[in-house]
Amino acid sequence: EAGVAQSPRYKIIEKRQSVAFWCNPISGHATLYWYQQILGQGPKLLIQFQNNGVVDDSQLPKDRFSAERLKGVDSTLKIQPAKLEDSAVYLCASSLETGNTIYFGEGSWLTVV
Amino acid sequence: SQQGEEDPQALSIQEGENATMNCSYKTSINNLQWYRQNSGRGLVHLILIRSNEREKHSGRLRVTLDTSKKSSSLLITASRAADTASYFCATPPYNQGGKLIFGQGTELSVKP
Repeated sequence: EAGVAQSPRYKIIEKRQSVAFWCNPISGHATLYWYQQILGQGPKLLIQFQNNGVVDDSQLPKDRFSAERLKGVDSTLKIQPAKLEDSAVYLCASSLETGNTIYFGEGSWLTVV
Repeated sequence: SQQGEEDPQALSIQEGENATMNCSYKTSINNLQWYRQNSGRGLVHLILIRSNEREKHSGRLRVTLDTSKKSSSLLITASRAADTASYFCATPPYNQGGKLIFGQGTELSVKP
């Protein structure tokens, strides 16, 4: 079974530029999550989708971050404009339904200089 | 907000020794999960223990849960160099849509 796919794996951008990350969850998984993990810390949930609807985006900095899952499968996370403190790993994860085991991708490493 | 807190933050042991990591959480939960993260990689699910379970085993892993103390422990027996990683506990608080809230993690180093 293929896992959660993410791209790009690594990205370096200058502050105030924009960046987009893509995620393809495990086939059939209805729930998709984006987490932000700053070096040395645990992952923090940014947004949770159930199919193509948003369940929780309470910790998403909506002035600069946006995410969509238009057809209920793939998802993109965008940051515009980026700040230095956005340097982190952006982890996409999926689960069959809410309450099931959550499976993570390898992450997209962002460095903002 | 942070739900789980791991203790210790860092642990260094010799190959063959046992490693014990602890996790405390704040709110009522349905289950508690442990994940491993190798350097530069994503998180790998290790084990899930439900709130009505007290102990669970998976290979060299043993997890305990004490809901009265809101704490859990992860024991890795006969550790190997390949167990070197960060270990996180994560909990889905009641009625919050199944999202996981992670602690800060324990960084385990197993020396050959």
